[in-house]
Amino acid sequence: AQSVSQHNHHVILSEAASLELGCNYSYGGTVNLFWYVQYPGQHLQLLLKYFSGDPLVKGIKGFEAEFIKSKFSFNLRKPSVQWSDTAEYFCAVNAENTGGFKTIFGAGTRLFVKA
Amino acid sequence: GAGVSQSPSNKVTEKGKDVELRCDPISGHTALYWYRQSLGQGLEFLIYFQGNSAPDKSGLPSDRFSAERTGGSVSTLTIQRTQQEDSAVYLCASSLRGGSNTDTQYFGPGTRLTVL
Repeated sequence: AQSVSQHNHHVILSEAASLELGCNYSYGGTVNLFWYVQYPGQHLQLLLKYFSGDPLVKGIKGFEAEFIKSKFSFNLRKPSVQWSDTAEYFCAVNAENTGGFKTIFGAGTRLFVKA
Repeated sequence: GAGVSQSPSNKVTEKGKDVELRCDPISGHTALYWYRQSLGQGLEFLIYFQGNSAPDKSGLPSDRFSAERTGGSVSTLTIQRTQQEDSAVYLCASSLRGGSNTDTQYFGPGTRLTVL
């Protein structure tokens, strides 16, 4: 069965530190990959997505993610975090299931950035 | 344009009561999803509506949970005989096409349900 694993449930960083949040999925077929973010008190919103082409995807606010097919991974990165990046981050995988495509979300990673 | 809206934003109920949660998707979006977000559990898929097709109910945790979507727009999630373990944030999302491998979902603010 399709699943998504996020390795870190809680991450605490100081401002200007580099960020990498891990995401691995289990599915052997064609996948489409997403990172969503939920800032405190706000809706879940799309951060970036990968459908095809260049496996290094750039999103909003300086975030990027790299799809490594051989590792079934789609890790999220940012070279220098800011206090405003404090949020919960969800990795999601959309893949074909019986009856069509379904999106499965990971458990989320809570990031706290110290000013 | 207007985003996905949900009501109520908060609902406190007593164990054993029934509750109804409402979702208004983005106009023109044919797909609608319900998720449950519990602390540390990520987003748990509940049910998915696509146009006039039969809904995918594979994520509903028990027969106390049901949902309908009237006229291809507004959806209502009903939980009967609520239990304390039903306490969570219930999120609704909509997407333009659904059932597609390029499906980007737009989320509502959620309804926080507390069962006492």
